[in-house]
Amino acid sequence: AQSVTQLDSQVPVFEEAPVELRCNYSSSVSVYLFWYVQYPNQGLQLLLKYLSGSTLVKGINGFEAEFNKSQTSFHLRKPSVHISDTAEYFCAVSNQGGKLIFGQGTELSVKP
Amino acid sequence: NAGVTQTPKFRVLKTGQSMTLLCAQDMNHEYMYWYRQDPGMGLRLIHYSVGEGTTAKGEVPDGYNVSRLKKQNFLLGLESAAPSQTSVYFCASSQFSNQPQHFGDGTRLSIL
Repeated sequence: AQSVTQLDSQVPVFEEAPVELRCNYSSSVSVYLFWYVQYPNQGLQLLLKYLSGSTLVKGINGFEAEFNKSQTSFHLRKPSVHISDTAEYFCAVSNQGGKLIFGQGTELSVKP
Repeated sequence: NAGVTQTPKFRVLKTGQSMTLLCAQDMNHEYMYWYRQDPGMGLRLIHYSVGEGTTAKGEVPDGYNVSRLKKQNFLLGLESAAPSQTSVYFCASSQFSNQPQHFGDGTRLSIL
């Protein structure tokens, strides 16, 4: 069975500082990996995805993530955050069956 | 583009009442999904559909039924609402199983 663990439930950070949101997954088969962002009272928006190919994936709003198969991780990074990045971030994994398994979410709070 | 539209956006029910949540997508996607989101638990898959006329159970299907009579619509029904079904419900769609899912803005459902 697949599972996703987001290692931090809350991450406070000051504006313009770098941030890393950690995600580990478990799966016995090849997986597809996603990061979604949820702003208050909204649905989820795709930040980036890893399907195959280069392990460094760039997404929207300056975010990037690196797929590390040996460590079964897919950590999300941004070199300099803005107040507008305050939101909840979800890591998700799926196999070829199409069902997404989500992590519990990480609440990113950017302070001035 | 409307994308994925959920109706209603808010609803309050009494225990034992029934209701149907409607999800409509205008992207001609094959796959559609219903999730529930609860604090600290991420999103959990209730039911999904891989095409018109098909449905399948997800992680937490008990107490819910679904129908996909038309490709663009995916209905989620609660036959006899229970307080444990108080949640935010999200619908999503994707073209293929390994493609990112597009989410609606959610339905906030409270059951008293």
